[in-house]
Amino acid sequence: GAVVSQHPSWVICKSGTSVKIECRSLDFQATTMFWYRQFPKQSLMLMATSNEGSKATYEQGVEKDKFLINHASLTLSTLTVTSAHPEDSSFYICSASLESSYNSPLHFGNGTRLTVT
Amino acid sequence: AQSVSQHNHHVILSEAASLELGCNYSYGGTVNLFWYVQYPGQHLQLLLKYFSGDPLVKGIKGFEAEFIKSKFSFNLRKPSVQWSDTAEYFCAVKTNAGKSTFGDGTTLTVKP
Repeated sequence: GAVVSQHPSWVICKSGTSVKIECRSLDFQATTMFWYRQFPKQSLMLMATSNEGSKATYEQGVEKDKFLINHASLTLSTLTVTSAHPEDSSFYICSASLESSYNSPLHFGNGTRLTVT
Repeated sequence: AQSVSQHNHHVILSEAASLELGCNYSYGGTVNLFWYVQYPGQHLQLLLKYFSGDPLVKGIKGFEAEFIKSKFSFNLRKPSVQWSDTAEYFCAVKTNAGKSTFGDGTTLTVKP
């Protein structure tokens, strides 16, 4: 159980275009999902916390108008990278917990490799 | 804000060698501690976790970790590694606020 599906696995887009990444919890409901960004040889950096039915909470330094997050249902959160630039090229990972308790581990999607040309 | 430090960026071992990966965290309050593993081509998955009770926790595939509160440490150990343990390992801290902070990760390469 606790499967998180992320789509697409990789995407290449041109500068100035927008890209949408989907994150689905397949066998559980997730009121909260987390979006991370990972640079090569570096750790996962939390970008934002996606809350079902309400606005996402963004970490300091993350542009909310550039990284649009929508969590319209208990099983789907989307991250849209708007007006993408080459510096947005990265590995984006979503995750969710089975329970909202603070000792509940995260379950991760497979990640999305974004390359902006 | 909490932070996590993993001491080793890349560890290379031969099969059957013992493993210990260091993890130290910085946070003054109650924490929950996790080790995640990412095998080549796969997604991150939970290896083990600690939130209370016995500070020595056992996870999957023979891994264990010991929480030493006085040292703010949560080192990962395995007595005898296998080639299939080659992966990237991340230590993470989760506070009551629900946010998880990850270390930079340690790449483990086990030579057959």
